[in-house]
Amino acid sequence: AQKVTQAQTEISVVEKEDVTLDCVYETRDTTYYLFWYKQPPSGELVFLIRRNSFDEQNEISGRYSWNFQKSTSSFNFTITASQVVDSAVYFCALKNQAGTALIFGKGTTLSVSS
Amino acid sequence: DTAVSQTPKYLVTQMGNDKSIKCEQNLGHDTMYWYKQDSKKFLKIMFSYNNKELIINETVPNRFSPKSPDKAHLNLHINSLELGDSAVYFCASSRIQGTGELFFGEGSRLTVL
Repeated sequence: AQKVTQAQTEISVVEKEDVTLDCVYETRDTTYYLFWYKQPPSGELVFLIRRNSFDEQNEISGRYSWNFQKSTSSFNFTITASQVVDSAVYFCALKNQAGTALIFGKGTTLSVSS
Repeated sequence: DTAVSQTPKYLVTQMGNDKSIKCEQNLGHDTMYWYKQDSKKFLKIMFSYNNKELIINETVPNRFSPKSPDKAHLNLHINSLELGDSAVYFCASSRIQGTGELFFGEGSRLTVL
């Protein structure tokens, strides 16, 4: 069975702090894909990143970085120097090769105060 | 042009009524989905269609009936609405052969009174 766990329900930080959102996944497949989506207060779901199971390279995009570790089945997301606009619910998701639907974690609500 | 569009964006109705939410995508994708997001923000897959064929049907009451007239459209019809149906419903699409990135609509907030 596939499962995504985001153990942090809510995180509050002050602007300019770094914050890491944890994601742990379970799957029996050797080929799978991991995702992060952002849902700002306006409600839409915004795609942030996709990583396949064969690519364990970490990725950096501006203030965002992702750490994929198969050994611990984790795909953590770090925001450096957080800003108020980063306040949102962040979802980690998993898709196997055969299936066609994303399985989402329960989300982490990030609140960044000024 | 909006890639995935849903209508209506807001829907307030009484228990027992029947309502529909429409979804259209102009991305040329083969696969479309309906997700339900409850009050705790949990996103759960309801249905998935590939080229008008149902391929995923999670444990959803049969009061919910998806209909796909063509691969660019996936509508959701709900009969005999209940209080527990209140949620935000998201439509999404993806390429069947792709690696799964879903493009989501803006969501339709359904409130059942």
